[in-house]
Amino acid sequence: DQQVKQNSPSLSVQEGRISILNCDYTNSMFDYFLWYKKYPAEGPTFLISISSIKDKNEDGRFTVFLNKSAKHLSLHIVPSQPGDSAVYFCAASYTGFQKLVFGTGTRLLVSP
Amino acid sequence: GAVVSQHPSRVICKSGTSVKIECRSLDFQATTMFWYRQFPKQSLMLMATSNEGSKATYEQGVEKDKFLINHASLTLSTLTVTSAHPEDSSFYICSARMRDRGVSATNEKLFFGSGTQLSVL
Repeated sequence: DQQVKQNSPSLSVQEGRISILNCDYTNSMFDYFLWYKKYPAEGPTFLISISSIKDKNEDGRFTVFLNKSAKHLSLHIVPSQPGDSAVYFCAASYTGFQKLVFGTGTRLLVSP
Repeated sequence: GAVVSQHPSRVICKSGTSVKIECRSLDFQATTMFWYRQFPKQSLMLMATSNEGSKATYEQGVEKDKFLINHASLTLSTLTVTSAHPEDSSFYICSARMRDRGVSATNEKLFFGSGTQLSVL
């Protein structure tokens, strides 16, 4: 039972354009969502998060949008840079729950 | 930022042997460490949660006797895959939660090791 889904295994974008990575979830108890970025041979690193009391959180070039009614969140990167090329994981949790539930990841390739 | 060191990064072993994977938090104390497994094109699946000085809590379907977890100190946790078989071949990754003064540490204070690719022949 995949509670967090990233339906696009890969995404290719040109440098300077917007990258949009999508994530869907099924568990309505989730109230905290995170995006992690992973380079080859490295562990995932925290990128940005959003609580369910918000519908948008922005940090520099990265913005996460949350649509609770649709159980959908997205990560926008603008402008995209070649250094953003990595695998992006969406993860979800809920208050009092220590664990994170991860999606399958989306490999982003930003070409010059 | 905080660093979690995981060794080895890659291991190849014969079927029936045991493999130990180490996860160390280098510059912080980790109250809790998590062990995940990832099969190709699948998500990171939590195997177990370990708190320093206590027994690990395993997720449903994960064999305790096969995947031995030891969390002897606030900076070290080990995962031993006992009597490994080809179906245990996978990518194993640990994460460590930084000790927080607050009531509960947020998931933002979760730091990952670089993972171990286990191949069992």
